[in-house]
Amino acid sequence: QSALTQPRSVSGSPGQSVTISCTGTSSDVGAYNRVSWYQQHPGKAPKLMIYDVNERPSGVPDRFSGSKSGNTASLTISGLQAEDEADYYCCSYAGTHTIYVFGTGTQVTVL
Amino acid sequence: EVQLVESGGGLVQPGRSLRLSCTTSGFTIGDFAVTWVRQAPGKGLEWVGFIRKKAHDGTTEYAASVKGRFTISRDDSKSIAYLQMNSLKTEDTAVYYCTRGYCSGGSCYFADAFDFWGQGTMVTVSS
Repeated sequence: QSALTQPRSVSGSPGQSVTISCTGTSSDVGAYNRVSWYQQHPGKAPKLMIYDVNERPSGVPDRFSGSKSGNTASLTISGLQAEDEADYYCCSYAGTHTIYVFGTGTQVTVL
Repeated sequence: EVQLVESGGGLVQPGRSLRLSCTTSGFTIGDFAVTWVRQAPGKGLEWVGFIRKKAHDGTTEYAASVKGRFTISRDDSKSIAYLQMNSLKTEDTAVYYCTRGYCSGGSCYFADAFDFWGQGTMVTVSS
């Protein structure tokens, strides 16, 4: 099972919006709504930002939103802030054989 | 406060074994699945495996890359989960995180996401 495909990097100025794509297949992203997103600052543990495609855990700012179309999920950060600069990973349930697959990761830079 | 703390990492030779522990607090571990995720230096996240809660028979699932070599277990009375790693390879070198499985509803036989993470413990496999 290959990792989900994400862009290596995206960037934006403070206040702008950026969108990170996460492309899988009809066996993972396209088949299930168990897509989650994680934020990871350097040297730190990942933090859950989105689950079930578009649900936010308590405490996550509503600037973060998720969506899915076909085999591609997306994370949008609106009103970009300096503290949003981090690596972001998507993850999808992939059925009873592969179970879970993570994305390749995207570095978000705030210009 | 929900906390997960990994321990047991270190330097080990190829072919040897190592056991990691995940000590939890702030929640009842018996009510949750525990998942292990690893991250090789400078690389992305890789799901390793998980153990279901006892209500779901406490069964385990593993990534193909570790199946047959790694074993996850749990001791709910001590609020600890374990990752036993045998026949270690150089490509197992990574930071290992334990995480709590989160379910938004339904049977939760497979978690929807991983909502709390430990700080990670480094495992280096090298001769």
